[in-house]
This record gives sequence, C-alpha cells and structure tokens, in this order.
Amino acid sequence: QVEVRETGPGLVKPSETLTLTCIVSGDAIGDHYWSWIRQSAGKGLEWIGQLNVRETTSHNPSLKSRVTMSADRSKNQLSLRLASVTAADSAVYFCAKHWDYDSNWFDSWGPGTLVTVS
Amino acid sequence: EIVMTQSPATLSVSPGERVTLSCRASQSVSSHLAWYQQKPGQAPRLLIYGASTRATGIPARFSGSGSGTEFTLTIGSLQSEDFAVYYCQQYSNWPPWTFGQGTKVEVK
Repeated sequence: QVEVRETGPGLVKPSETLTLTCIVSGDAIGDHYWSWIRQSAGKGLEWIGQLNVRETTSHNPSLKSRVTMSADRSKNQLSLRLASVTAADSAVYFCAKHWDYDSNWFDSWGPGTLVTVS
Repeated sequence: EIVMTQSPATLSVSPGERVTLSCRASQSVSSHLAWYQQKPGQAPRLLIYGASTRATGIPARFSGSGSGTEFTLTIGSLQSEDFAVYYCQQYSNWPPWTFGQGTKVEVK
C-alpha cells in the first residue's frame, strides 16, 4: 500500500520560489506516473503537472514555465518548484499517483500541504 | 482545455435518499472520466474511473454512468459518511487534466 506525504514551508513571500517535497513509501516512485495538484477556494482542483517513469515532465499551460518537477529515486521523493509566486498560488498542494501508465486518474493522494503566499 | 461543469453546486438530502450528481464536459471525453469524494481536511478519494468502474473498496451504492459529454454519479442510498464534496475529472485530453468545480452533498 503506497503512502504519500507532502512537505513544504507553509509560508512563502511573493516573487519567491516555492519548493515542495512528496515523500513516497510502500512503492518505488520510478514505477509510476506522479502529478502535483492544488486546491484553492477560488479555483477548485487544478492540475499543476506530472512526471513519468522516464522523468519526462508536463505542466499546465496556465502556469507557463514557472513549474519545475523532479524525482530523487534514491530517496523515493518527488519535488515541485514554482517560481515567482503570487497570492494566487496560495493553496493546498497535493501529490498524487496515477493509476498506471496512460491511465491518468489518481488513486493515491497525500494529505496535502497548505501554502500561503504573503 | 476541456471544461468540466458539475451540477448542482449543492445538494441537500436526507440519509437513505437516492442522489444523482451530474458532470458535463465541454467536448467529448469518451469514457475517460473519474469521480472523487472529498471530506473536509482530507485529500480526494477515488470512487469511479472509466466513467463506471468502481475503485477498490468502494461500496456498491456508488455507481457511475455516461459517455461523451454527459456523466452521472449515483449514490443508491445515502449513508451518513457520504456527506462530502464530489468532483469529476476528465483524462481524455491534456494538458491539462481538468476537474469540475464540485458538488457538495449536505444534510437536509
């Protein structure tokens, strides 16, 4: 049973870069596709981007090129960096596992980490 | 980007009632649709994928139907633990994968 947990700074200043970590246990991150998803009161659930087993990434065009995702297989962790944050980036950020390759629904989620930009 | 629209925004129901939630896609997503349940302070929980296949451990009172642009999530007899927000998600066209705005099922 895979377990997922997000960690982050909680508070980030405007214009700075947000860095979050997703810690995975119970399964190897390299065996799956992973997505970052955020939830704010104003925009509901918003898909940020994904990283696949070849560590190829794709992100939501609405976030332009502010998103960087990476994986550390030795630590079984994923990371998300979001540059030039504004108040609109305040949200709960989730890390979620895809069901399978090319099966792009999310079957395991972390509890989320709240980020406030202020 | 495919826009997912859920209705109604809020549904007030009594335990034991049958509940029907709707999700509409701005263009066809075939059967590439999932439903999630989210309770306060928790992450979304996968209920349905492929528009109608229940995820592991999901009770049979939850059922999904539809294809193309119109989808329905039905809860056969609402239990107390089912009061939550329900989201649909399309995984047909990307980027991005998109979610509906949610339907809150609350106690009448």
